[in-house]
Amino acid sequence: DAGVTQSPTHLIKTRGQQVTLRCSPKSGHDTVSWYQQALGQGPQFIFQYYEEEERQRGNFPDRFSGHQFPNYSSELNVNALLLGDSALYLCASSLAGGGVGGLDTQYFGPGTRLTVL
Amino acid sequence: DAKTTQPPSMDCAEGRAANLPCNHSTISGNEYVYWYRQIHSQGPQYIIHGLKNNETNEMASLIITEDRKSSTLILPHATLRDTAVYYCIVSVPTGANSKLTFGKGITLSVRP
Repeated sequence: DAGVTQSPTHLIKTRGQQVTLRCSPKSGHDTVSWYQQALGQGPQFIFQYYEEEERQRGNFPDRFSGHQFPNYSSELNVNALLLGDSALYLCASSLAGGGVGGLDTQYFGPGTRLTVL
Repeated sequence: DAKTTQPPSMDCAEGRAANLPCNHSTISGNEYVYWYRQIHSQGPQYIIHGLKNNETNEMASLIITEDRKSSTLILPHATLRDTAVYYCIVSVPTGANSKLTFGKGITLSVRP
C-alpha cells in the first residue's frame, strides 16, 4: 500500500525565486492538505484541496498557492521566496468522509526541506 | 492557536510504560482527540484517535476522561525508537474544518 510521497526531498532556492513542491496522496485518498513546519515548531496548516478546489486555508499570504489534479495529486507553489519560507513542507492525505468510522484521518508524507538563501 | 496543553518533555525507561498527558478543557462535543508523533526530521505519524471511549490499537492506548477535558496516550512498552515529539490535537474529523492545529507537543525521551 503506497503511502504519501513528496518530491523533491530537499531544495535550495534564493530569495525572490519561485518553487513548486509535489505530493502524491496515499492510495484511495482524495483530499490533500499542506503544512509548513519551521525549525523547532509544530506544523502549521497552509491549505487543503478536495475535488480540485481549495476547501480551507490557514493564515498564509497569497504567495502560497496550490493545485490539485484529477488523479488527486497536488502541488504547492510559493512565489517571491523569503528567507522565512525556509521550512519543512509536509503533505497529508485523507479520504473525505471515509476511512474508519467515516473519519478523515490524515496521513503525512516525509516532507520537502526547503532552504531559502 | 492549539486547543491542547502538553508538558514540554518527559522521559521514561526502555521497557516501561510511557504515559503522555494532554489537557483539552475547551473541547467541543464533535471534536475528536488525535495523537501523532514525529521522529526527528520525518513527517508526523498517526498513532490513534478517539471521541469519548478509550481506544487501543497496535501502537498505543488512548484514555479519555469522562468529561473529555483531558486524555492520556499510553505506550505500553516503550523502546528507544519511541523517542519523538508527540502531538495531541483536537479536531473535527470531517468536512471543511478538518485541519489539524499542532501545538509544540511533548518530547518523549526513552532512556536505555
